[in-house]
Amino acid sequence: AQTVTQSQPEMSVQEAETVTLSCTYDTSESDYYLFWYKQPPSRQMILVIRQEAYKQQNATENRFSVNFQKAAKSFSLKISDSQLGDAAMYFCAYRTRQGGSEKLVFGKGTKLTVNP
Amino acid sequence: EAQVTQNPRYLITVTGKKLTVTCSQNMNHEYMSWYRQDPGLGLRQIYYSMNVEVTDKGDVPEGYKVSRKEKRNFPLILESPSPNQTSLYFCASSEMTGKETQYFGPGTRLLVL
Repeated sequence: AQTVTQSQPEMSVQEAETVTLSCTYDTSESDYYLFWYKQPPSRQMILVIRQEAYKQQNATENRFSVNFQKAAKSFSLKISDSQLGDAAMYFCAYRTRQGGSEKLVFGKGTKLTVNP
Repeated sequence: EAQVTQNPRYLITVTGKKLTVTCSQNMNHEYMSWYRQDPGLGLRQIYYSMNVEVTDKGDVPEGYKVSRKEKRNFPLILESPSPNQTSLYFCASSEMTGKETQYFGPGTRLLVL
């Protein structure tokens, strides 16, 4: 069974600085999808970025980028030029691409605090 | 506007009193899913559905039922709620292909006394 591990329960960063959130996963599949979701205090789940495992190029969305290391099964999120609005819980998630099971497995989350 | 709606948003109930949390999406998505979120545990999948009349268990299905009679609706049923089902519940939907992002509803906070 696939598992997702976020080893940092909490992180903090100064406004305008850069922070990296860690995520590792365990799977025997070769093709899958990885996501980072943001959950602000409103509890809404917001997609930050996604990565397709067969693509070697790391995904980027404005100030958000990932470091995808397939062999190491690592999928870290880098937030550049951190803003106060980035403060939230961040969840890493894994989704299988193979038919028959469409589970989405989440990590336990990392709480990010942004200090002014 | 593309959206997933859930009702109710907040619910306080007592042990054993059957309840249903509704979920509806307007994007014609085949895939729908229910998750529960508990402190320190992240989100865990309860049930999912890949199309009308096709449902399957997630990681924590005990105590829950679902049905998918229409494509847009995917209600979550608690036949006999217990206090350990106190949680924040999310419904989500997406296209069937795995790469597609899931759209989440606003969440339903349930307290079972």
